[in-house]
Amino acid sequence: KQEVTQIPAALSVPEGENLVLNCSFTDSAIYNLQWFRQDPGKGLTSLLLIQSSQREQTSGRLNASLDKSSGRSTLYIAASQPGDSATYLCAVRVGTGANNLFFGTGTRLTVIP
Amino acid sequence: GAVVSQHPSWVICKSGTSVKIECRSLDFQATTMFWYRQFPKQSLMLMATSNEGSKATYEQGVEKDKFLINHASLTLSTLTVTSAHPEDSSFYICSARESTTYYEQYFGPGTRLTVT
Repeated sequence: KQEVTQIPAALSVPEGENLVLNCSFTDSAIYNLQWFRQDPGKGLTSLLLIQSSQREQTSGRLNASLDKSSGRSTLYIAASQPGDSATYLCAVRVGTGANNLFFGTGTRLTVIP
Repeated sequence: GAVVSQHPSWVICKSGTSVKIECRSLDFQATTMFWYRQFPKQSLMLMATSNEGSKATYEQGVEKDKFLINHASLTLSTLTVTSAHPEDSSFYICSARESTTYYEQYFGPGTRLTVT
């Protein structure tokens, strides 16, 4: 069974700092990996989706990498801002046309002004 | 972009009553919809998957008679929590997928259910 782990569970950084969030998964046979943002009491906002054949995706100040063979992904946030404060979830999709995402427990990020 | 809405955004009900949560895909046809629940400080857990016009497929441990799911059209799915108990209090999130983008799901904003 696929298990997704995110470390650290919580992270506080001063504004302007660059940071890295980590995600690891136990079964490397994934179809793709997706990073989400969740604000308190809100739903999920998709940030980046990396197909299994890709190694990274970038969107603005965000860069996500994928090393499928080692079961790891990182989300790099450059020049963090207070508005980046949220919980970040990674999720892996198993197999083509799969109907399930396996979610990690998230990293709660606080950017201190 | 693809938008999924949920209604209500929050609801409080008394123990023993039933409550219905709606999930709508606003600008695409959702052939498949998913229902998740999330407890505080925990991740999302898939409850069930429904395809339009078919019975929902429930994950292990989810009571199908308690959590009734209907996916009667390509834009609407409903989750009814029957005979709600305080332990059903949770954050319920729906997700939808259209047939042409089977690799990506779009998530609703969630519904906070509190059972008193």
